[in-house]
Amino acid sequence: NAGVMQNPRHLVRRRGQEARLRCSPMKGHSHVYWYRQLPEEGLKFMVYLQKENIIDESGMPKERFSAEFPKEGPSILRIQQVVRGDSAAYFCASSPRTQGGDTEAFFGQGTRLTVV
Amino acid sequence: DQQVKQNSPSLSVQEGRISILNCDYTNSMFDYFLWYKKYPAEGPTFLISISSIKDKNEDGRFTVFLNKSAKHLSLHIVPSQPGDSAVYFCAATGAGSYQLTFGKGTKLSVIP
Repeated sequence: NAGVMQNPRHLVRRRGQEARLRCSPMKGHSHVYWYRQLPEEGLKFMVYLQKENIIDESGMPKERFSAEFPKEGPSILRIQQVVRGDSAAYFCASSPRTQGGDTEAFFGQGTRLTVV
Repeated sequence: DQQVKQNSPSLSVQEGRISILNCDYTNSMFDYFLWYKKYPAEGPTFLISISSIKDKNEDGRFTVFLNKSAKHLSLHIVPSQPGDSAVYFCAATGAGSYQLTFGKGTKLSVIP
């Protein structure tokens, strides 16, 4: 039973390019969460999605960032026109139900985005 | 405004001794607390949790204590092992919420 799979593990983009980060949840999990970890910081919530629905994107920057979780395929976090401040580790987590209480979310290994 | 604070960026402990990692929170709406362990270049791994209706939860070598009045929790690891060396994150969430609010982490080094 594979865990949460994120790819790529490392991504280098020049300023102004687009970054696409992929997350395949654990088998049987239909809830996906994206978190961002800036250097020397804790993880910060970005967005919560269920299949074909964005439930909560309150942690997403208003511009350039978008997320989707289509009926088929992985969840995608898309960052347009990247800037140096977007350099961070982006973690995806999944759960079988809405996380909370005794429902734990499992994290992937993360994608480390470097903007040069 | 940091709602979950881990004031010690790092901690060194001798193998076999007790490791105590501390966490403070400010949001009184938090009612569920979790500890995650993270190795370099890996994602956080769930370690142990505690609900606000309890003041202690134990799982093997790991025990989490919660002091609601002080808005403080701690993770005790006894005995500490070199494989415990990692960054430990404290996280909190509130009733009906799915968002985890993380602290900045404490890097634990267990010295053989």
